Amino acid sequence: DIQMTQSPSSLSASVGDRVTLTCRASQSISTYLNWYQQKPGKAPNLLIYGASSLQSRVPSRFSGSGSGTDFTLTISSLQPEDFATYYCQQSYSTLRTFGQGTKVEI
Amino acid sequence: QVHLVESGGGVVQPGRSLRLSCAASGFTFSSYGMHWVRQAPGKGLDWVAVIWYDGSNKYYADSVKGRFTISRDNSKNTLYLQMNSLRAEDTALYYCAREVRLARGGSYFDYWGQGTLVTVSS
Repeated sequence: DIQMTQSPSSLSASVGDRVTLTCRASQSISTYLNWYQQKPGKAPNLLIYGASSLQSRVPSRFSGSGSGTDFTLTISSLQPEDFATYYCQQSYSTLRTFGQGTKVEI
Repeated sequence: QVHLVESGGGVVQPGRSLRLSCAASGFTFSSYGMHWVRQAPGKGLDWVAVIWYDGSNKYYADSVKGRFTISRDNSKNTLYLQMNSLRAEDTALYYCAREVRLARGGSYFDYWGQGTLVTVSS
């Protein structure tokens, strides 16, 4: 199975900060990488698909980049509603896998 | 609008069985692959299984292979997860999710249900 490793596991930031989250795959997955945001008690919400494509109605402060094994999710100016846990997920393999998550605390 | 509603969760003893359902509405269910994803209390997301749009292919995480069976009834717009030989480590909130495939390859989950809680305990 393809292992997905996210770093850091958690981070504390302030409103207005630029925040970068990292996801690394155990093998090359091209750009078959998605990012989800999950708030407490809610289902995950798709932010980025195909490594860099912004899902509709997702604020433009979210952006994704990377290919191969290394990927990043950037929040250009952190907002209070961005307090959440962020997961990466690969769709290269039929057996999908998620990273362990990065919790962003404001 | 798209709706996915899971049901069938509950408290079950180790070794017993449970069947989850996911009722879909607001889209052409038979055109989409569907997945089950679970989340243990306080833990991260854990992919469980996928079934293709027509039910022709099914794949499972190693942790559930041989114990869980994913299926669908396109005439009823419903996805199922039959869970046998349940273990304490299967305790989780189980989500169903719709998959969108990209023309260039890859896919993503664009809609999720609210989840149904399965607790395996004696």
